[in-house]
Amino acid sequence: DADVTQTPRNRITKTGKRIMLECSQTKGHDRMYWYRQDPGLGLRLIYYSFDVKDINKGEISDGYSVSRQAQAKFSLSLESAIPNQTALYFCATSDSWQGIQYFGAGTRLSVL
Amino acid sequence: QKEVEQDPGPLSVPEGAIVSLNCTYSNSAFQYFMWYRQYSRKGPELLMYTYSSGNKEDGRFTAQVDKSSKYISLFIRDSQPSDSATYLCAMAGTASKLTFGTGTRLQVTL
Repeated sequence: DADVTQTPRNRITKTGKRIMLECSQTKGHDRMYWYRQDPGLGLRLIYYSFDVKDINKGEISDGYSVSRQAQAKFSLSLESAIPNQTALYFCATSDSWQGIQYFGAGTRLSVL
Repeated sequence: QKEVEQDPGPLSVPEGAIVSLNCTYSNSAFQYFMWYRQYSRKGPELLMYTYSSGNKEDGRFTAQVDKSSKYISLFIRDSQPSDSATYLCAMAGTASKLTFGTGTRLQVTL
C-alpha cells in the first residue's frame, strides 16, 4: 500500500460545487502539505500543517480550506469550485528534521 | 523574478548520453537541496538529497550544489529510456517548506 494515499484520483465537477480531496498517510510524519500543479507553473503550496492543531496558508490559499482531522489525515476543500481550479493536486508529508517531502499519486480535478 | 529558475525543456537525448539538468536560485538562505523525478500521471519522488554544498553520487546520478554561484545540477550518466520524466529541483532554508522549480521534461530516445 502507498505511504501517502489520495482520494479520489480523478474528479470532474461543476462550477459552484463544493468538493473535498482527502489525504491519509502511514509514514508517521507530523507535517502535511497540499499543492497544486499547473503546466509551466510547477508546484505551488496551498496549505500546510505541522501538527494537528497547526494550519498555515501557503502562497495560493484563496478559494481553498483545509482540515487536519488527525495526525494521519489532511483534507482539502474547494468551497465553491471555479474552472481555474482545474489542476493536479498533490498531498505530501515530511519529517521535521530533513525536510524531505513524500508525495501521493495526485488527484486530477476538472471544474467545468 | 522567481526564487528558483529551471529551464522547462523539453530536453531530448539519445540513450546512453550524459544529461545535465540545472537550477539557479536567488535565496542565499537555502541549504537543503533536492531533486525529484515525476513520471507522467504520478507524484514526484525523491531522487537526490544534499545538505549544503558539494557533490553527491548515487549510481548513475550525481547532484552538485554550488552555493557561491547559487546553482545546482543533476547529472545522469548512461541515460536510459526509463529516465524519461520531469525532473524538479527543490530547496529550502529550513526543514519546513520547499520551493520548487517548474521542472524540466526529459525524453531519452532509443
